[in-house]
Amino acid sequence: DIQMTQSPSTLSASVGDRVTISCRASQSVRSRLAWYQHKPGKVPKLLIYQASSLENGVPSRFSGGGSGTEFTLTINSLQPDDFATYYCQQYRTGRTFGPGTKVEIK
Amino acid sequence: QVQLVQSGAEVKKPGASVKVSCKTSGYTFTNFDINWVRQAPGQGLEWMGWMNPNSGDRGYAQKFQGRVSITRDTSISTVYMELSGLRSEDTAIYYCARWEPTGDFNYWGQGTLVSVSS
Repeated sequence: DIQMTQSPSTLSASVGDRVTISCRASQSVRSRLAWYQHKPGKVPKLLIYQASSLENGVPSRFSGGGSGTEFTLTINSLQPDDFATYYCQQYRTGRTFGPGTKVEIK
Repeated sequence: QVQLVQSGAEVKKPGASVKVSCKTSGYTFTNFDINWVRQAPGQGLEWMGWMNPNSGDRGYAQKFQGRVSITRDTSISTVYMELSGLRSEDTAIYYCARWEPTGDFNYWGQGTLVSVSS
């Protein structure tokens, strides 16, 4: 199975900050990577697919990049609604989620 | 509109099995794979397996091989996930999710809480 790691595991930030979350795959997944936002009591929300494509309706302050084994999710000008846990997920072979990055209020 | 509606919460004893259903509507059932994902308390999302409702092909994460079975009933557009040999660590919210051609999950069921306790 392809293993996914994320860093940091927790990120403390303020409204207006620019934050970047990293995701690494144990082997190349090409661009077959998605990012999700998950809040307690809700279902995960798709943000980015194919590593860098923004899902319809997702604010443009979210962006994704990378390919192969290294990926990033960037949130420009963090908003109050953005405090949540973020997961990367590969779909090159099977589907594997990263362990998550919790973005909390500083 | 696309909907995935899951069965209700379950309480099971260790060693038992649980079967969770995911009834779909609003699209052609056989056109999209359905996957199962779970989240244990305080833990992250964990992919369990998938099924192609058209062919019946399925695949499971290595961790769950031998314990999980995903089936479907095309007559009622429903996919099932059965997990056997339950242990306390299987206490989690179980989600079904539709697999999109773009390679992601854009539609999710509401989640089913399965509690395993003696």
